[in-house]
Amino acid sequence: DTEVTQTPKHLVMGMTNKKSLKCEQHMGHRAMYWYKQKAKKPPELMFVYSYEKLSINESVPSRFSPECPNSSLLNLHLHALQPEDSALYLCASSHLGNTIYFGEGSWLTVV
Amino acid sequence: ELKVEQNPLFLSMQEGKNYTIYCNYSTTSDRLYWYRQDPGKSLESLFVLLSNGAVKQEGRLMASLDTKARLSTLHITAAVHDLSATYFCAVVYSENSGGSNYKLTFGKGTLLTVNP
Repeated sequence: DTEVTQTPKHLVMGMTNKKSLKCEQHMGHRAMYWYKQKAKKPPELMFVYSYEKLSINESVPSRFSPECPNSSLLNLHLHALQPEDSALYLCASSHLGNTIYFGEGSWLTVV
Repeated sequence: ELKVEQNPLFLSMQEGKNYTIYCNYSTTSDRLYWYRQDPGKSLESLFVLLSNGAVKQEGRLMASLDTKARLSTLHITAAVHDLSATYFCAVVYSENSGGSNYKLTFGKGTLLTVNP
């Protein structure tokens, strides 16, 4: 099983809303990642969690708040987003230093 | 800072022809990935290249890695329409010697269109 599951697949939210993106894997991976991808651009790293601790934050605005409640789950809490935050948000996981598996992504539209 | 350069960015091919996509990177790395992305979809892992001289093949695609030249190639043989997609190379970089802070940095991608 090499599956990373992301929910919801599509999300439309207003600029004053609070919502969350969820990611789950059951491969025993201890590294989990959030990437953001705008149309016709490569994915850009946002956060890395290693052993449930935040190890990399790529200077992401505080309106994005990651959370890793346990080794299988990764959340991205969203608050007061801007229309330019509309993008595909990709979760990924890996054993440290090994193949990185991506989920199907969550399409976010901020209106 | 690791830089990953892919070229060409756009590639229009005829069915049956061969072509190569190039991926150069700026910092020592021991792991390089090739991904495929169809419109509106996520990333599909094609190849992981782990060592100098590594060559992997799957169907009409073959990837190779030269760590000394910091160069990977994705060779397409006898292209077919089903190969139309965006192809990304991505290079792993670890910020610390313990290797716990892995960053995967992507090239800009190559939009491949295979025409009849």
